[in-house]
Amino acid sequence: EAGVAQSPRYKIIEKRQSVAFWCNPISGHATLYWYQQILGQGPKLLIQFQNNGVVDDSQLPKDRFSAERLKGVDSTLKIQPAKLEDSAVYLCASSVGGGSYEQYFGPGTRLTVT
Amino acid sequence: SQELEQSPQSLIVQEGKNLTINCTSSKTLYGLYWYKQKYGEGLIFLMMLQKGGEEKSHEKITAKLDEKKQQSSLHITASQPSHAGIYLCGADGDSEVILTGGGNKLTFGTGTQLKVEL
Repeated sequence: EAGVAQSPRYKIIEKRQSVAFWCNPISGHATLYWYQQILGQGPKLLIQFQNNGVVDDSQLPKDRFSAERLKGVDSTLKIQPAKLEDSAVYLCASSVGGGSYEQYFGPGTRLTVT
Repeated sequence: SQELEQSPQSLIVQEGKNLTINCTSSKTLYGLYWYKQKYGEGLIFLMMLQKGGEEKSHEKITAKLDEKKQQSSLHITASQPSHAGIYLCGADGDSEVILTGGGNKLTFGTGTQLKVEL
């Protein structure tokens, strides 16, 4: 069974530029999560989708971050414009459902904003 | 909001030694997850605990959730270099939301970095 796929693995941009990350969850997983992990910290949930609907985006900085999950499968997370403090690893995870199910994580995208 | 504190922050042990990592929550834990992360990689699921007093084992790793459901410990027996990495505990945020199927918003601790020396 293929795991959660993410691309790109690494990205370096200058501040005020825009960037997009892509995630393909495990087939059949209804719930998809985007986390931000700053160096030395645990992951922080940015947004959670159930199929193609948003369940929780309370910690998403909506003035610069946006995410979508069209057709309830792949998802894209965008940052526009990027700030220095956005430098982090962006992790995508998926689970079978929205309850207490284990989440499977992708390898992450390491973003460096200069 | 729920906060998770892990201790120690980092740990260096000799191969073959036992070790314990603790995770303490500011609120009652309705679901506690242990993950392992290697540098540059995603998180690997280890175990999930839900009931007070529950204990689970996988190979040489044992995790427990205390009776009061506010603390969990992860114990590694006879550590090996393959055990090296960052161990993260994660907790379900809201029991009512979980039970209604509304979501599984995990709050994570800051992690414990484990190094195993030969």
